[in-house]
Amino acid sequence: GNSVTQMEGPVTLSEEAFLTINCTYTATGYPSLFWYVQYPGEGLQLLLKATKADDKGSNKGFEATYRKETTSFHLEKGSVQVSDSAVYFCALRGQGAQKLVFGQGTRLTINP
Amino acid sequence: GAVVSQHPSRVICKSGTSVKIECRSLDFQATTMFWYRQFPKQSLMLMATSNEGSKATYEQGVEKDKFLINHASLTLSTLTVTSAHPEDSSFYICSAEHPGTEDYSPLHFGNGTRLTVT
Repeated sequence: GNSVTQMEGPVTLSEEAFLTINCTYTATGYPSLFWYVQYPGEGLQLLLKATKADDKGSNKGFEATYRKETTSFHLEKGSVQVSDSAVYFCALRGQGAQKLVFGQGTRLTINP
Repeated sequence: GAVVSQHPSRVICKSGTSVKIECRSLDFQATTMFWYRQFPKQSLMLMATSNEGSKATYEQGVEKDKFLINHASLTLSTLTVTSAHPEDSSFYICSAEHPGTEDYSPLHFGNGTRLTVT
């Protein structure tokens, strides 16, 4: 079945550092890929998405590129801020499927 | 933009009682809603897919008699935890699918309900 694997956290960085959170997936066909962010005590918010190979999703300085050859969708940001502290989830929706499959989440803490 | 409202945000109940959680799509009609459960520091586990006007589809291992789902209208789905026990304490999150979204992905999540069973 479809699955998503994220790098284990927690991740702690200093403000303005470069961020990478790795995400790889297993799926048949051409899934859509997503990154969601969860701030403390809240639900999930869509951060960015990509629906086909080589697409790059971007939002709020975050980027991720859909790499079919490596089955990856790594999240990057060039200069993180304290307000980026949250839990980040990589997710996929299989081709023709309704539901999302989530990775285990990566907790990110940014220190000033 | 589209908003999904979940209520209550927190609830504390005694063991053996039932608790109802509501999920509403505020400015769109959602034929499909999803209920997730999240344990502390863990990922979201899909519990069931709720389809308006029909029975919910439960994921393997989820007790349908314990977690009752009703999707009676295009804007409301409810999850009732029956005869709650301390092990049911968790964070429950709903998600609604916006039919107008270009790829029909369930982009809209509620803010979750923290259930504590004492």
